[in-house]
Amino acid sequence: KQEVTQIPAALSVPEGENLVLNCSFTDSAIYNLQWFRQDPGKGLTSLLLIQSSQREQTSGRLNASLDKSSGRSTLYIAASQPGDSATYLCAAPSNSNSGYALNFGKGTSLLVTP
Amino acid sequence: GAGVSQSPRYKVAKRGQDVALRCDPISGHVSLFWYQQALGQGPEFLTYFQNEAQLDKSGLPSDRFFAERPEGSVSTLKIQRTQQEDSAVYLCASSSPYDRYNEQFFGPGTRLTVL
Repeated sequence: KQEVTQIPAALSVPEGENLVLNCSFTDSAIYNLQWFRQDPGKGLTSLLLIQSSQREQTSGRLNASLDKSSGRSTLYIAASQPGDSATYLCAAPSNSNSGYALNFGKGTSLLVTP
Repeated sequence: GAGVSQSPRYKVAKRGQDVALRCDPISGHVSLFWYQQALGQGPEFLTYFQNEAQLDKSGLPSDRFFAERPEGSVSTLKIQRTQQEDSAVYLCASSSPYDRYNEQFFGPGTRLTVL
């Protein structure tokens, strides 16, 4: 089973800082990797999906990278804003027998202070 | 277009009661997943459907948990004789057979509290 770990568990930064969230996974034969955002009491919002053949994906102020050989992915958030405060989850699928069900890390709780 | 919807959004049950949680996936999405998210944890896989067929139920924590998708669209997760440890957010996700990356789209979840 794909094991996913995220560090740090929590992060507090002042508004305007650039920051990096880390995700590691155990099986380098990864199909894809997704980053999600979860606001308190809400469901998951997909931020970025990186295919196994890609090294990075960008959406606005967000950039996600994937290094299969080292089993790592990072989510870079530029010029952070208080509205970025949320929990960020990374997830990688299991094999196709489970329809590529996702294995999640425990998340990084981000607080951006004004 | 409409996303994944779930109902009820909140459910409070007394220990021992049965509950039923509903998921309406995105129209046309063949794959449907249920996940359980305990407080402060990431979601954990429960079960997977392809159309009406339940292809993987390895994540269901006990035989008190049962899921169905009889017509290949709406799915129901049923928990019998609820216990306090069943308190969690139950998330449903769906994906399209035409999406070669198998991106999953999540509903808002049902927060179950067992007293």
